[in-house]
Amino acid sequence: GAVVSQHPSRVICKSGTSVKIECRSLDFQATTMFWYRQFPKKSLMLMATSNEGSKATYEQGVEKDKFLINHASLTLSTLTVTSAHPEDSSFYICSAREGSWADTQYFGPGTRLTVL
Amino acid sequence: AQSVAQPEDQVNVAEGNPLTVKCTYSVSGNPYLFWYVQYPNRGLQFLLKYITGDNLVKGSYGFEAEFNKSQTSFHLKKPSALVSDSALYFCAVRELDTGYSTLTFGKGTMLLVSP
Repeated sequence: GAVVSQHPSRVICKSGTSVKIECRSLDFQATTMFWYRQFPKKSLMLMATSNEGSKATYEQGVEKDKFLINHASLTLSTLTVTSAHPEDSSFYICSAREGSWADTQYFGPGTRLTVL
Repeated sequence: AQSVAQPEDQVNVAEGNPLTVKCTYSVSGNPYLFWYVQYPNRGLQFLLKYITGDNLVKGSYGFEAEFNKSQTSFHLKKPSALVSDSALYFCAVRELDTGYSTLTFGKGTMLLVSP
């Protein structure tokens, strides 16, 4: 199956700083990428959907100025958590889909963010 | 609106026994159904999907799922469980006809396979 990577896998930062998480599709071109947040023992919450070269579409309740998403190329999307606070601590997972809406979504390994 | 229900928080099965993880869905049109597995502190791995065709779908690691339109179900099955199958399993649905809807996930079912 297709491979999606995320970097870093784990990050610890101080409150008030910004953190950037990278998501890459390694063996396919991802027209659409998704960012999810997962709380302990909970399902995935979709944060936003981004299409290459376009602005991301954020889900209701997700602050677009706090969670900056850039999808500058067909293989790379980034999520920047700006002015992070302890309540932003979570497991962030990206997902990528090749082209057609009928294609399978593949998921990255996730990034564990801890804000002190 | 689309939704997915996974009625069991946890399923326990002994190694070598068959396993079933239940999933029911609700969509306006035709469903596009998926199963994913998540190991601790990892992302989701794709197991299998159903779009059209044979109601029994075979996927990775010996898993299969049966689509039942009348019962709006897509239960995940495996004939003989392994301890290494212990993980969190997610069912997901997308409406096939609109083409632009996003995946909706169930809350997940923890599968524990005992030796």
